[in-house]
Amino acid sequence: ETGVTQSPTHLIKTRGQQVTLRCSSQSGHNTVSWYQQALGQGPQFIFQYYREEENGRGNFPPRFSGLQFPNYSSELNVNALELDDSALYLCASSTSLQETQYFGPGTRLLVL
Amino acid sequence: RKEVEQDPGPFNVPEGATVAFNCTYSNSASQSFFWYRQDCRKEPKLLMSVYSSGNEDGRFTAQLNRASQYISLLIRDSKLSDSATYLCVVNRAGNQFYFGTGTSLTVIP
Repeated sequence: ETGVTQSPTHLIKTRGQQVTLRCSSQSGHNTVSWYQQALGQGPQFIFQYYREEENGRGNFPPRFSGLQFPNYSSELNVNALELDDSALYLCASSTSLQETQYFGPGTRLLVL
Repeated sequence: RKEVEQDPGPFNVPEGATVAFNCTYSNSASQSFFWYRQDCRKEPKLLMSVYSSGNEDGRFTAQLNRASQYISLLIRDSKLSDSATYLCVVNRAGNQFYFGTGTSLTVIP
């Protein structure tokens, strides 16, 4: 196991609602990245947080936002949910000195 | 053009076979390269990093050709447990990982 945990494991929401997903990084890791993985696709980079600041963002609209806390855990918030937001949301932790990212088990979000 | 392109397969091979996966990337500024393995409905797990000099880990060999912007993974003596999706990953500056769509491998008894 990587030591990266995510909650909840599964979630069902309806269009227009808001959702918050949580991630606890591996001990000693100060960087958290979030990914969206649609069925049959590879993970798509949403954004990365390093020491509580956004440190890079992929091609996702502003309704995808995040936070990182002093203990390096992180949240992903998605507002105004759309059907296409249904996916597996993965977080990955790493250190600033090490490129390897370690993934959590993911949160499966279904938007109806 | 996608950052990372992979042949999605599927590859169906008998136990003991050798199988090779290829991947190309579009951005010449890419700095580091990886293969991840993803089992059905699980998270991706690091299989190996890929270096210009090529590297080997048991039955797995990875190669990088920067001039051609091409990465490969060779699996020798395939085992049933190798059945998974293999993701090619490219890292640009800032630890922004770009994943391919993955190549599906099924090893048949």
